[in-house]
Amino acid sequence: EDQVTQSPEALRLQEGESSSLNCSYTVSGLRGLFWYRQDPGKGPEFLFTLYSAGEEKEKERLKATLTKKESFLHITAPKPEDSATYLCAVREGAGNMLTFGGGTRLMVKP
Amino acid sequence: ETGVTQSPTHLTKTRGQQVTLRCSSQSGHNTVSWYQQALGQGPQFIFQYYREEENGRGNFPPRFSGLQFPNYSSELNVNALELDDSALYLCASSTGTAMRNSPLHFGNGTRLTVT
Repeated sequence: EDQVTQSPEALRLQEGESSSLNCSYTVSGLRGLFWYRQDPGKGPEFLFTLYSAGEEKEKERLKATLTKKESFLHITAPKPEDSATYLCAVREGAGNMLTFGGGTRLMVKP
Repeated sequence: ETGVTQSPTHLTKTRGQQVTLRCSSQSGHNTVSWYQQALGQGPQFIFQYYREEENGRGNFPPRFSGLQFPNYSSELNVNALELDDSALYLCASSTGTAMRNSPLHFGNGTRLTVT
């Protein structure tokens, strides 16, 4: 059974304090690892897709990396507006079903 | 470009009742998926529709059913509501069924409360 585990569950940072969020997964035949951002009361907003180990994607202060067993979302010099829940998800096998982790709730204090 | 829209935004029902939630896909998207998100958890896959047929289903009982219409809009129906059905129901659309460059785009969901 696919399993996706995110850590930590919650993370408090000061503005400018860089850190990383972890997403560990166990799937057979990964067909994409996805990162989403979710603000309170909103649906998840797509950030990145990674397909193979060694791949990296960047967007503003965010960089996502992928190994064979985990993905990291690095946040460089975060700002309060980066506060949100970050979700990772994997797609395995045929079809378009995503299996999500429980999310990391990030709080950035000014 | 119009994103994914869902209605209603909030809904309260009584245990045992039936509910219908609605979703309009993002322009150009032909696949729609439904997810259930309990408070403080990640979304869980309910099912997916492509070309008006269900082509994938998660671990949800048959009282969860859906439809996709020719214009790619969709409905999620839940019969015999239970208290544990209280959650945020998310609709997501995408192009194709297994395309490499087709991430899911989510609506803002319907918050269902069952009392």
